[in-house]
Parts: sequence; structure tokens; C-alpha cells
Amino acid sequence: GQQLNQSPQSMFIQEGEDVSMNCTSSSIFNTWLWYKQDPGEGPVLLIALYKAGELTSNGRLTAQFGITRKDSFLNISASIPSDVGIYFCAGRQKKSSGDKLTFGTGTRLAVRP
Amino acid sequence: GAVVSQHPSWVICKSGTSVKIECRSLDFQATTMFWYRQFPKQSLMLMATSNEGSKATYEQGVEKDKFLINHASLTLSTLTVTSAHPEDSSFYICSARFSLQETQYFGPGTRLLVL
Repeated sequence: GQQLNQSPQSMFIQEGEDVSMNCTSSSIFNTWLWYKQDPGEGPVLLIALYKAGELTSNGRLTAQFGITRKDSFLNISASIPSDVGIYFCAGRQKKSSGDKLTFGTGTRLAVRP
Repeated sequence: GAVVSQHPSWVICKSGTSVKIECRSLDFQATTMFWYRQFPKQSLMLMATSNEGSKATYEQGVEKDKFLINHASLTLSTLTVTSAHPEDSSFYICSARFSLQETQYFGPGTRLLVL
């Protein structure tokens, strides 16, 4: 099935550093979502974006919905050890067969204390 | 946020047996539930979408006779892996959505190991 391209695939950073990851697609999406998945758990929603150009923050997290509706980025400021996990972007399209999410390939984040 | 539970959290079975996984929305009514499969170090791949009271819609390449989905109530959907084989070993995750809202809430996942 279709997947969104996320980059980088993985990051290994020092605690306190800022993190930036992005997601790109050849298709247009109506909604962009960012999830975090801990090992052995389901994804947890971090931020939802509904309009092109929208910039939304949730604590230390900031995400933007690209103007072209084909991309989005997520920034994490002042990283802490509990930020470790896999971050997935997801795009939502409205289709006649029903709405569904398409997930990105994931960015694996490791934080060194 | 809304709570979605899955049971069991993990299961080990012999090849050829069937396994049923339950997905429940605990504090809301979910007219639509989704089933995903995730292989190690890979992303979530949608298997099927189920609406309460109607047949599930399967994604291309997913065998509907092998992965039976039942969404009999607004709070429960089940996925049955029939005649499971080792290649069916994976992490199965469900999600649920309100009928008029866009946010999907995910369950904690069920890890299936077929020996």
C-alpha cells in the first residue's frame, strides 16, 4: 500500500537538543497527524493539522501542515529521555470508499542523557 | 483522549489454529474501527475498515477469508486470524473513530506469534 516518506529514518541526539523531522508525499492530504509509538504499544496522537499552512504546538512539540498539502514537519524542542520512540506522520484523505490514514515510514529517535 | 483496549495483548499459537483478537472502545461509541498490521521495524499497514453493522472493507492484498472481521456493536470489533501460519506473526493494532470526528484512537496492540 501507499506510504509517506519520512526523514530522517533515525536520529541519535543529546538530551536538550532540538529535533526536526519531516514527511513528504506525492499525494495531497486533507489532514496531517503526528503519532508517537513506544515499543510494544499502539501509536499515541501528538498533533493534528487540518489546514494548509497551519502551525500547531503541543508543549515542546510544533508541527506544520505544508502549503502544498503534500508535506508536514514536526519539531521537538529541548529533547528529554522520554522522547525516545518512533514518530509516525499520517495523512488522511477523503475518499468515496471512506476516509483512511496512510502512515509514514517512521523516524526512530534515541536520546542520550 | 478516548480509550481503546485490545485483548489479548499477546498470543502464541500453533500453526493451523485460529486466533481471535478483540478491540473495544471503552468510553465512546465507535461507528468505524480499523485494523492494522505492523511488522518489526516497519510502519502500520491498514488491513481493513469496519463499520458497525456492515461488512468490512479490506485493503488490496488482504485475504478477507483469512482475516475475519466482525463489528457487531458500537464498542466492539473482532479480528479472527484463521488457520494461522508463521508468516502471520505480527503486531496487530486496532483503532476506533467517532462517526463525526476525524481523530483515530489506537489500541495498545496485540502481538501474535505463530509457531
